[in-house]
Amino acid sequence: RKEVEQDPGPFNVPEGATVAFNCTYSNSASQSFFWYRQDCRKEPKLLMSVYSSGNEDGRFTAQLNRASQYISLLIRDSKLSDSATYLCVVNIYGGSQGNLIFGKGTKLSVKP
Amino acid sequence: DVKVTQSSRYLVKRTGEKVFLECVQDMDHENMFWYRQDPGLGLRLIYFSYDVKMKEKGDIPEGYSVSREKKERFSLILESASTNQTSMYLCASITSRGRGYTFGSGTRLTVV
Repeated sequence: RKEVEQDPGPFNVPEGATVAFNCTYSNSASQSFFWYRQDCRKEPKLLMSVYSSGNEDGRFTAQLNRASQYISLLIRDSKLSDSATYLCVVNIYGGSQGNLIFGKGTKLSVKP
Repeated sequence: DVKVTQSSRYLVKRTGEKVFLECVQDMDHENMFWYRQDPGLGLRLIYFSYDVKMKEKGDIPEGYSVSREKKERFSLILESASTNQTSMYLCASITSRGRGYTFGSGTRLTVV
């Protein structure tokens, strides 16, 4: 079983739609979780961390379910500029030690 | 603002050449990483370093070596470049308190 799994998509949605991505991870000892955004031919950039209690940043909401070992990202009122690949990322060790495990990403395309 | 700088955005090298990819971070971070990213394969860890003169193999170290002589600089070396090393190379430094990586803007290497 792969360590971090995501649906590769693409998710094609109209502007204004709400879209949700899920991601599952295999290591129950995983400590911290992130969503990254990657635009075409650019480097990944941190979108948001994912906290146990769930967290929101504007139109973006991240949730963590440790029992089922999945995290989610919800985007409300999609904009054309949200078109990108979203990477689910897990840190097994926590803190600043260890390296991050990346999913292969889910591609989102928001259409006018 | 946190910065990770990779020396070249695009490189074209010949098979058999020795190639140096340089990465510098200005955040005084101990931990630095080299990844390659290929379509359909996602990000794969080549090498990482926890401190000066320390290095650890990642998932795909074959054909690569690294050098960490100074804390701020982490170099990736392709001892004898081959066409299957054509890829996007990304350097990263982990943020404090484990808040994820900051990536450099990447080097797109083509080996001909």
